[in-house]
Amino acid sequence: DIQLTQSPSFLSASVGDRVTITCRASQGISSFLAWYQQKPGQAPKLLIYAASTLQSGVPSRFSGSGSGTEFTLTISSLQPEDFATYYCQHLKSYPFTFGPGTKVDIK
Amino acid sequence: EVQLVESGGGLVQPGGSLRLSCAASGFIFSDRYMDWVRQAPGKGLEWVGRIRKKVNSYSTEYAASVKARFTISRDDSKNSLYLQMNSLNIEDTAVYYCARVVGDTLLQSYMDVWGTGTTVTVSS
Repeated sequence: DIQLTQSPSFLSASVGDRVTITCRASQGISSFLAWYQQKPGQAPKLLIYAASTLQSGVPSRFSGSGSGTEFTLTISSLQPEDFATYYCQHLKSYPFTFGPGTKVDIK
Repeated sequence: EVQLVESGGGLVQPGGSLRLSCAASGFIFSDRYMDWVRQAPGKGLEWVGRIRKKVNSYSTEYAASVKARFTISRDDSKNSLYLQMNSLNIEDTAVYYCARVVGDTLLQSYMDVWGTGTTVTVSS
């Protein structure tokens, strides 16, 4: 099975900061990667698919990049509503797996 | 409005069974693959499994942790998705989400609509 790691596991940031989260796959997955945002007590929300395509309705401050084994999710200017946990998920082959998550907290 | 609503969660003893349901509305349910994802308390997301459409013979895929114990099914006439869970153990305690899959290819396999989840607690 393909394993995903995320770094950092936790980050503390301020409103307006540029934030970057990295997701690494245990083997090449081309662009078969999605990013989700989850707030406490809520279901996950799709942000990015195919590694870099922004889901409809998601603010343009979110962007994704990467291919193969290394991917990044960037928030260009952190907003109060962006404090949440972010997960990557690969879609290269079954079983799909999620990364362990990155919690973005308020500094 | 596109909506998914799970039900059927509750408290069950180890070794027991439970059947979860997911009611879909606002889209053509029969046209979509559907997934189940779970989240143990304070933990990350775990993909549970997928069911394809009628044209794909309703074929299924499962995570290794639930294979042979869990069964995903659907009733397109009722716009409903199901998760039959047998031989439950404490590690199956989680919030279970159903989710709509965008497309039929792997590159389209991401989940764009999620339910609010139903909680399953396995405890004696």
